[in-house]
Amino acid sequence: EPEVTQTPSHQVTQMGQEVILRCVPISNHLYFYWYRQILGQKVEFLVSFYNNEISEKSEIFDDQFSVERPDGSNFTLKIRSTKLEDSAMYFCASTGEAYEQYFGPGTRLTVT
Amino acid sequence: QKEVEQNSGPLSVPEGAIASLNCTYSDRVSQSFFWYRQYSGKSPELIMSIYSNGDKEDGRFTAQLNKASQYVSLLIRDSQPSDSATYLCAVKISSGSARQLTFGSGTQLTVLP
Repeated sequence: EPEVTQTPSHQVTQMGQEVILRCVPISNHLYFYWYRQILGQKVEFLVSFYNNEISEKSEIFDDQFSVERPDGSNFTLKIRSTKLEDSAMYFCASTGEAYEQYFGPGTRLTVT
Repeated sequence: QKEVEQNSGPLSVPEGAIASLNCTYSDRVSQSFFWYRQYSGKSPELIMSIYSNGDKEDGRFTAQLNKASQYVSLLIRDSQPSDSATYLCAVKISSGSARQLTFGSGTQLTVLP
């Protein structure tokens, strides 16, 4: 069964450093998303991406964040200058024409 | 602010019982509703989607939607210890082309053997 994959599973970085989180969505899906979940809190929407551009973004997704689909399979989230409060699980999700979103296993980002 | 509310629990049921999980949402234009299961330290796993008023059954799971009351629920029949997890209600809040989901805080379910 096709699934969303994410790398790395755990990323430790120092405050102020740039990180890139990678995702491979399900191959025939068209819509891609990033969510984050701070430990013990809700899953929060960050950004959606369709047809090679951002379609929606939340207030969390400020100028420190960017997304890219550099090739036909990968979908990346970049955080330019990480802060302590960026420590969270980051989930990539994808969907086809239907609305059901399938989540990847997540990347745990720890900012020290 | 458009919200999705769930009782955080914890909810404990004995093995074999029916577990009932509830969710309310604030935005009347919401059209699409989802239940996810999340084991500790893992990602959300889609269990059910429901779009129309009424019941939708899939194996041991039944989702119920009442748009007039802005209420969606999940019933788990014949609960098993492996069902112990946090259950997340998610709503596609906006009508139109926006597809992002708004999640509730989740209900932690424990099924006691």
